[in-house]
Amino acid sequence: QAVVTQEPSLTVSPGGTVTLTCGSSTGAVTSGHYPYWFQQKPGQAPRTLIYDINNKQSWTPDRISGSLLGGKAALTLSGAQPEDEADYYCSLFYTGVSVFGGGTKLTVL
Amino acid sequence: QVQLVQSGAEVKRPGASVKVSCKASGYTFTGNNIHWVRQAPGQGLEWMGKIKPSDGSTTYPQKFQGRITMTRDTSTSTVYMELTSLRFEDTALYYCAETRSDYWGQGTLITVSS
Repeated sequence: QAVVTQEPSLTVSPGGTVTLTCGSSTGAVTSGHYPYWFQQKPGQAPRTLIYDINNKQSWTPDRISGSLLGGKAALTLSGAQPEDEADYYCSLFYTGVSVFGGGTKLTVL
Repeated sequence: QVQLVQSGAEVKRPGASVKVSCKASGYTFTGNNIHWVRQAPGQGLEWMGKIKPSDGSTTYPQKFQGRITMTRDTSTSTVYMELTSLRFEDTALYYCAETRSDYWGQGTLITVSS
């Protein structure tokens, strides 16, 4: 099974910009991997932030965007807010099977 | 409003089976796939498989093949996830989710303990 890699932890200053990435052990991440991004806050169920690279939910803030960058899927938070502090997971699709990354713990400090 | 309501927490012995239900309401049940995702205490998310409610077709990752079965009942808009031969490491919070639309169940805690 493919392995999906994420940064274990990142820190961003309030109002700053940070990019989380999601890589694949099989090579470059493409649109065919249909990258998803999920946000999970302590004690809560995950929420789907973005699907299929860059499609947002109605509640996804404009300051959060998804893209493909340097062979990886990327989640960029611009103008970080305290409420963005959370765990972020990506998932990639491999011929019918989805695989989650290990998650990135984002601290806003 | 949209809801995915899961069955309650369970404690099981090693080797036993568990069946978790997920009842959908407020949206078209036969639309997108419903996925099962679990999270062991203090750990990340793990994808367990998906079911297509319209025809009941399923996809499971190799790790769970032979031990997991997902089914659905369109008359009650409910999907089920059964996991057999439970091990201590199956202790986790289990979620059903229609991830594309961001519909998630509240989670079901399954504890495997002797």
